[in-house]
Amino acid sequence: EAEVAQSPRYKITEKSQAVAFWCDPISGHATLYWYRQILGQGPELLVQFQDESVVDDSQLPKDRFSAERLKGVDSTLKIQPAELGDSAMYLCASSLEGSRAFFGQGTRLTVV
Amino acid sequence: AQSVTQLDSQVPVFEEAPVELRCNYSSSVSVYLFWYVQYPNQGLQLLLKYLSGSTLVKGINGFEAEFNKSQTSFHLRKPSVHISDTAEYFCALFSGKLIFGQGTTLQVKP
Repeated sequence: EAEVAQSPRYKITEKSQAVAFWCDPISGHATLYWYRQILGQGPELLVQFQDESVVDDSQLPKDRFSAERLKGVDSTLKIQPAELGDSAMYLCASSLEGSRAFFGQGTRLTVV
Repeated sequence: AQSVTQLDSQVPVFEEAPVELRCNYSSSVSVYLFWYVQYPNQGLQLLLKYLSGSTLVKGINGFEAEFNKSQTSFHLRKPSVHISDTAEYFCALFSGKLIFGQGTTLQVKP
């Protein structure tokens, strides 16, 4: 079965440094989501893409976070500068339509 | 605005006992509803979904859920749990975007 690929699986970075996460969705999936999941909480939607266009980024802290999906395939989420409170699991998911989202394994970020 | 509320943060239960994880939602438009399971340091895996039709939906691993429009609920049930069901469970809705509840930790005890 096709999978959503994310890298890296784990990342430790110092505060004020820049960090980036990569996601490769299932081929043909037009919708791509980035979520942040703080330990013990549910996933919080950061940004939703439809092809290369941003559909929703209302919860994305735009002063330090950015996301792009050039060519409407893979996507990168960047944080600059990282803060201690950014420590979380970052999940990517893709969907053909609204019927089901497939999730990657996530990137566990620790900011020290 | 849409929202999902999971009524229990933790549910302890003994092995082979039945379990119900409760989920209420709020939306002014029609929605799709989902239950996902998450094991430690893993992504989310779909258990089941309600799109339309029969209000009782069956999923993987013996789980089922019932959509109740009047109660705006989508509770997850399993008649007999196993140790391996210990995990975090998330209720979610889709209405243009996919949003999640805060999760319920199911702790199955031997």
